[in-house]
Amino acid sequence: AQKVTQAQTEISVVEKEDVTLDCVYETRDTTYYLFWYKQPPSGELVFLIRRNSFDEQNEISGRYSWNFQKSTSSFNFTITASQVVDSAVYFCALRSNDYKLSFGAGTTVTVRA
Amino acid sequence: KAGVTQTPRYLIKTRGQQVTLSCSPISGHRSVSWYQQTPGQGLQFLFEYFSETQRNKGNFPGRFSGRQFSNSRSEMNVSTLELGDSALYLCASTSPRQDSKTGELFFGEGSRLTVL
Repeated sequence: AQKVTQAQTEISVVEKEDVTLDCVYETRDTTYYLFWYKQPPSGELVFLIRRNSFDEQNEISGRYSWNFQKSTSSFNFTITASQVVDSAVYFCALRSNDYKLSFGAGTTVTVRA
Repeated sequence: KAGVTQTPRYLIKTRGQQVTLSCSPISGHRSVSWYQQTPGQGLQFLFEYFSETQRNKGNFPGRFSGRQFSNSRSEMNVSTLELGDSALYLCASTSPRQDSKTGELFFGEGSRLTVL
């Protein structure tokens, strides 16, 4: 069975602060894919990143960075110098050898001006 | 390039009725997935279609069904609606350049169903 845990329900920060979202996953498969999605109030899930289980390199994209650690089954996401537009719900998701994504419960990020 | 389009965006039904939701994937995408999002259960997988074939189904009762047409458009149907079916129903498609087991999903804005 696959499981994704996002222990942080809500995070509130002041603009320009950094914020890190935790994601811990469980799977018995050796090949799997991890994703992060952003859901703004409009409802659409916006794809942010995909990593496969064989690529543990950390990645940076602008103010976003991801830390994948297979040893601790974690795939954490950091927003550097947060902005009000970063306010959204962020979901971590896992997919292994089937066609469905297993999502975490999501973390609501509120960035105050 | 148009994104995933879902219709209707909002709808209100009463218990016992049935509802059909529509999803048009991104042009050229052949894999379509459906997810239900509720405050209590979060995002849950409903089913996935590829070339008019259902390849995987989530743990939902038989009242939830779907289909995909030859143009890749998909519909899902919920019969005998219950209050607990109130949710945001999200549709997603996957680029044909990627295996739908590995590629990212592109989501629509969803259809928000309220059952009274």
